[in-house]
Amino acid sequence: SQQGEEDPQALSIQEGENATMNCSYKTSINNLQWYRQNSGRGLVHLILIRSNEREKHSGRLRVTLDTSKKSSSLLITASRAADTASYFCATDAGDYKLSFGAGTTVTVRA
Amino acid sequence: DAGVIQSPRHEVTEMGQEVTLRCKPISGHDYLFWYRQTMMRGLELLIYFNNNVPIDDSGMPEDRFSAKMPNASFSTLKIQPSEPRDSAVYFCASSRAILSNEQFFGPGTRLTVL
Repeated sequence: SQQGEEDPQALSIQEGENATMNCSYKTSINNLQWYRQNSGRGLVHLILIRSNEREKHSGRLRVTLDTSKKSSSLLITASRAADTASYFCATDAGDYKLSFGAGTTVTVRA
Repeated sequence: DAGVIQSPRHEVTEMGQEVTLRCKPISGHDYLFWYRQTMMRGLELLIYFNNNVPIDDSGMPEDRFSAKMPNASFSTLKIQPSEPRDSAVYFCASSRAILSNEQFFGPGTRLTVL
């Protein structure tokens, strides 16, 4: 079953702009992860944020986590054409399996 | 490391035939996951193993699906008999729990059942 719900479902931005997507979940989590999937490929892990963390950075990525609201956001700054992909949040409730959301499809226009 | 290896990459078969999907996890990883991805249902966890032992198979759709992990470097997902509604992309992923549960995905097998 899908626990994470991403919003928006799709996002189209100009190269150089920032892209923000959100994830809401329902139950307590151990950590939350973000993955990217390029068309026709497997998912690639981007970043993991633990339940006791509020913000994390990795290159052009910034992730926030608000456990009181059961929500997370992923910000991609200065987007590039290569960022065109689907982005998924995944929650870990502590049993080593992940529940994935439906994903946000991001299109970066040149 | 070559990453997670899956074979075949594409499979087209006729309804009623047996299908076997194969996965080689990353060496040293102790968790292995099988997922199915469709437009309608998104990414679904079918089953996962820890140290070659199935831990949770609650996502396996029905008895036509079975999975094995005879050793740490090989797993199979079998569908017998296959049906058109089984058409999907099947992913295998592995992780090493002692580090984190970041999962490494294979390229997937695109299955089409006619």
